[in-house]
Amino acid sequence: QVQLQESGPGLVKPSETLSLTCSVSGGSINSHYWSWIRQPPGKGLEWIGYIYDSGTTKYSPSLRSRVNISVDTSRKQVFLKLTSVSAADTAIYYCARRNYDNGGYWFDPWGQGTLVTVSS
Amino acid sequence: QSVLTQPPSASGTPGQRVTISCSGSSSNIGNNPVNWYQHLPGTAPKLLIYNTSKRPSGVPDRFSGSKSGTSASLAISGLQSEDEADYYCATWDDSLGGHVVFGGGTKLTVL
Repeated sequence: QVQLQESGPGLVKPSETLSLTCSVSGGSINSHYWSWIRQPPGKGLEWIGYIYDSGTTKYSPSLRSRVNISVDTSRKQVFLKLTSVSAADTAIYYCARRNYDNGGYWFDPWGQGTLVTVSS
Repeated sequence: QSVLTQPPSASGTPGQRVTISCSGSSSNIGNNPVNWYQHLPGTAPKLLIYNTSKRPSGVPDRFSGSKSGTSASLAISGLQSEDEADYYCATWDDSLGGHVVFGGGTKLTVL
């Protein structure tokens, strides 16, 4: 079955760019949407955005100005870049596959997540 | 402040039936299917219910979902100790060009 694994630096300095990679294994990256979702410490889940294998993207209105999601289908990887980070961006970052059927969308499966701390 | 409103906590004893609510608006729950996720800290969130009331294979039929107007509910019957987790509702919101919204999460404690 499809498995997702997030990776990237666990510590990023304020005002710098957060960069994460989601590696997809056990299935095709093509013809699917891939999402990033985060969870700040002690808080709930927050959707960041998604990308289709063609490169079509959609982002959260609150993060749109700072987010870029890209994909490399040949390497089966999805990338997240978040610029000008602050302590408020400290969170566990998850990648997940977005599924669609009969008018509804849902996330399954999810990766284990990776903790990113923003601190000097 | 989450767009979808969930009670921060819920509890029940083994064998009981517990319901978790998720309140939204006409631009989200009122117009789109709802999904529910179970999350144990330190693990990957798990899809419990999709398209308001459908269960993925492997999810026990003790879990059920429903929706009425701008509110949705997750019901867990025959509560078990392993059900102790955080539960999140989520759906599409048609405002601001369309985006995904989550509830703030409900911590379920099995007493």
